[in-house]
Amino acid sequence: RKEVEQDPGPFNVPEGATVAFNCTYSNSASQSFFWYRQDCRKEPKLLMSVYSSGNEDGRFTAQLNRASQYISLLIRDSKLSDSATYLCVVSRPPGNKLTFGGGTRVLVKP
Amino acid sequence: DAGVIQSPRHEVTEMGQEVTLRCKPISGHNSLFWYRQTMMRGLELLIYFNNNVPIDDSGMPEDRFSAKMPNASFSTLKIQPSEPRDSAVYFCASSLQTGNQPQHFGDGTRLSIL
Repeated sequence: RKEVEQDPGPFNVPEGATVAFNCTYSNSASQSFFWYRQDCRKEPKLLMSVYSSGNEDGRFTAQLNRASQYISLLIRDSKLSDSATYLCVVSRPPGNKLTFGGGTRVLVKP
Repeated sequence: DAGVIQSPRHEVTEMGQEVTLRCKPISGHNSLFWYRQTMMRGLELLIYFNNNVPIDDSGMPEDRFSAKMPNASFSTLKIQPSEPRDSAVYFCASSLQTGNQPQHFGDGTRLSIL
């Protein structure tokens, strides 16, 4: 079993709609959680950190469920520019070693 | 502020040749990471350094791969001899060492071994 698992998609989303997807992690010692975004042929870029109480950044909402060991990302009012691959990232001690999921591809269409 | 700087951006070379990839982390960051990304295997951590010291190289595929960090502002990833299966995008990332710090990625080096 992979340490971080994601549905690869693609999620085809009409412009303006809401889309949500999850990521599961296997190591209960995981401490920090992030969502990264990667555009085609570009580097991964931090989208947002995920906090225990859940957090929101504009149209993006991230939640963490430690009991069930998953994190989620919800995108409201989808824009064409939201089309990308969203990488779930988990870190655990020692150090700041990150483990990346395989990514969920989102395609927002007019 | 300058981000993580990698060079070259693209490299095409014949199998058997030595390949050297370079990375300059963000100033002040004391952790540096080398990743490889392919369609088949996704993003894989090869090695990471804290304060210029290699901490975990368990992701390095084999002895043909080596990485160094001679100072806080420079790191290299070397492949010798290169093979076609090494073709991938290689990313360097840096972060502060303390917990909960995200990593910042360079633009990557797109490597093709013919």
